[in-house]
Amino acid sequence: QKEVEQNSGPLSVPEGAIASLNCTYSDRVSQSFFWYRQYSGKSPELIMSIYSNGDKEDGRFTAQLNKASQYVSLLIRDSQPSDSATYLCAVPNYGGSQGNLIFGKGTKLSVKP
Amino acid sequence: SQTIHQWPATLVQPVGSPLSLECTVEGTSNPNLYWYRQAAGRGLQLLFYSVGIGQISSEVPQNLSASRPQDRQFILSSKKLLLSDSGFYLCAWSVEDSYGYTFGSGTRLTVV
Repeated sequence: QKEVEQNSGPLSVPEGAIASLNCTYSDRVSQSFFWYRQYSGKSPELIMSIYSNGDKEDGRFTAQLNKASQYVSLLIRDSQPSDSATYLCAVPNYGGSQGNLIFGKGTKLSVKP
Repeated sequence: SQTIHQWPATLVQPVGSPLSLECTVEGTSNPNLYWYRQAAGRGLQLLFYSVGIGQISSEVPQNLSASRPQDRQFILSSKKLLLSDSGFYLCAWSVEDSYGYTFGSGTRLTVV
């Protein structure tokens, strides 16, 4: 059974700090990795995708991928209260349903003013 | 640009009643379409996916069904709702898995 694991949290950080969200996955052939942000009561929104080992930066967000360790993380610099949400990690289900993404259960982030 | 519409936003239905949720996509052709359910405090569960008109695959046995009568229309149905069908239903589309999904705004269903 292919799995995506995330710490459910809640992760609480002060405003202005760096929030670090982690995700591990079981399928070694995974090539694409996605981070979604879900505000309470809303649908998930794609915020980052990463395909190669290393770092990918987009504004205050940095995704880090280590395929050898089957580990992907999301760093949020200068965290703001508006970043408070649940962050979902997702990887494609290769060999399974076409185009099916496997989602982790998400990490709830709370940024305190 | 591509957009996805999902309605209604909220729905309260009695046990045993029928259900019909609709999702439409604009600005793309032949998308992959998905129905997910998110129960309170739980992760996203894939219910159905479709790669083309009339092509539906079910991931989880349940009293729900899906149909794709048109290229950009995806419908989730039930003949008789159960209490356990309550949850947040999300439609999503993709061109291919390497680009991730775009979700609709969701329907919050409460079965009473």
